[in-house]
Amino acid sequence: ETGVTQSPTHLIKTRGQQVTLRCSSQSGHNTVSWYQQALGQGPQFIFQYYREEENGRGNFPPRFSGLQFPNYSSELNVNALELDDSALYLCASSPERTSTDTQYFGPGTRLTVL
Amino acid sequence: GQQLNQSPQSMFIQEGEDVSMNCTSSSIFNTWLWYKQDPGEGPVLLIALYKAGELTSNGRLTAQFGITRKDSFLNISASIPSDVGIYFCAGQFYNNNDMRFGAGTRLTVKP
Repeated sequence: ETGVTQSPTHLIKTRGQQVTLRCSSQSGHNTVSWYQQALGQGPQFIFQYYREEENGRGNFPPRFSGLQFPNYSSELNVNALELDDSALYLCASSPERTSTDTQYFGPGTRLTVL
Repeated sequence: GQQLNQSPQSMFIQEGEDVSMNCTSSSIFNTWLWYKQDPGEGPVLLIALYKAGELTSNGRLTAQFGITRKDSFLNISASIPSDVGIYFCAGQFYNNNDMRFGAGTRLTVKP
């Protein structure tokens, strides 16, 4: 139990739709990172938010966007869904933006795009 | 995409055996980490390595950061059934939030 929760657990969408995934960080953590994990692969870094500002981005197109709120919960939004967006989406919270060794992952949201 | 080459892809071992897995990269990382992921869960950090050549233990787990900062290995001694899962290596560049993961090693332990 890491204290990081994500919702929903599973989601099915169709190509072209938009989706919002949610993450509730561990108490006191001001940094959240989002990852995409395709089946049989390791997680890939999408972006990080620190104190409500984007603080680094991986190789993902602009249709992947995020928000972090004052209570440090966050959202991942994906527009114009494509079949290849089907994956497990993980968020991870940490107390500071550079503390990867105190980064705690949530259980993930499994997104299926049909 | 993935920049870390992790091997083996999968392992089937008998309870009590020792396990070794490794990761190599064409890039130099500032920090190297090893995670374990159980079904339906997010990755959990096992060991973090910060210095080239560093050897660190965590119970039955031992990991080393290569001298060139481009590789690492993880050893598990005297495996038990709860060691089953997928093990990932991950590297982080200096002053960069982008953490790169390997494709994972799936470990099965037969009682």
